[in-house]
Amino acid sequence: QKEVEQNSGPLSVPEGAIASLNCTYSDRGSQSFFWYRQYSGKSPELIMFIYSNGDKEDGRFTAQLNKASQYVSLLIRDSQPSDSATYLCAVNMGDDKIIFGKGTRLHILP
Amino acid sequence: KAGVTQTPRYLIKTRGQQVTLSCSPISGHRSVSWYQQTPGQGLQFLFEYFSETQRNKGNFPGRFSGRQFSNSRSEMNVSTLELGDSALYLCASTTLTGSYEQYFGPGTRLTVT
Repeated sequence: QKEVEQNSGPLSVPEGAIASLNCTYSDRGSQSFFWYRQYSGKSPELIMFIYSNGDKEDGRFTAQLNKASQYVSLLIRDSQPSDSATYLCAVNMGDDKIIFGKGTRLHILP
Repeated sequence: KAGVTQTPRYLIKTRGQQVTLSCSPISGHRSVSWYQQTPGQGLQFLFEYFSETQRNKGNFPGRFSGRQFSNSRSEMNVSTLELGDSALYLCASTTLTGSYEQYFGPGTRLTVT
């Protein structure tokens, strides 16, 4: 059973701090990885796509991929109240099946 | 540039009926993917189309099908509806040239009674 695991949270982080979200996956053959943000009642938004080992930075967001350890993380620097949302990790498994985690609820404390 | 549009936005159907949902991607995007979102199962991938061809498919029964037209518009069909098919159905439009960009539509809320 191919799985993507995320801590459901809620993860509470003070405003201005770094929020760290983690995601582990079961299939070593996984090829590409996605982080989405979803506000309550809204559609998901893609905030990061990563396929190479290492870090990828985009503004205040950094995705870190470690294929050997089968995890991908998302760091949000200088967290803002507007970052409060559910963050979904998705993995394109080796057979092109895309599996989503159940999401982590992030709450930024003003 | 217009966003991703989905029609209808809300739909109520009876068990056993079939339904067709439509998605118009962002102009120039040739990939359209479909997802089902429920409170219990979360977000699940249904299938992806690129240039009128299904590229990959999630773990859903054959009652779920889709197609893509030459103008990149896509439809998904669910036959013999079951109560468990009640969900928010989302489509996403993706550009595969240059940087990877994906945008979701507002979704179609399907209720099966």
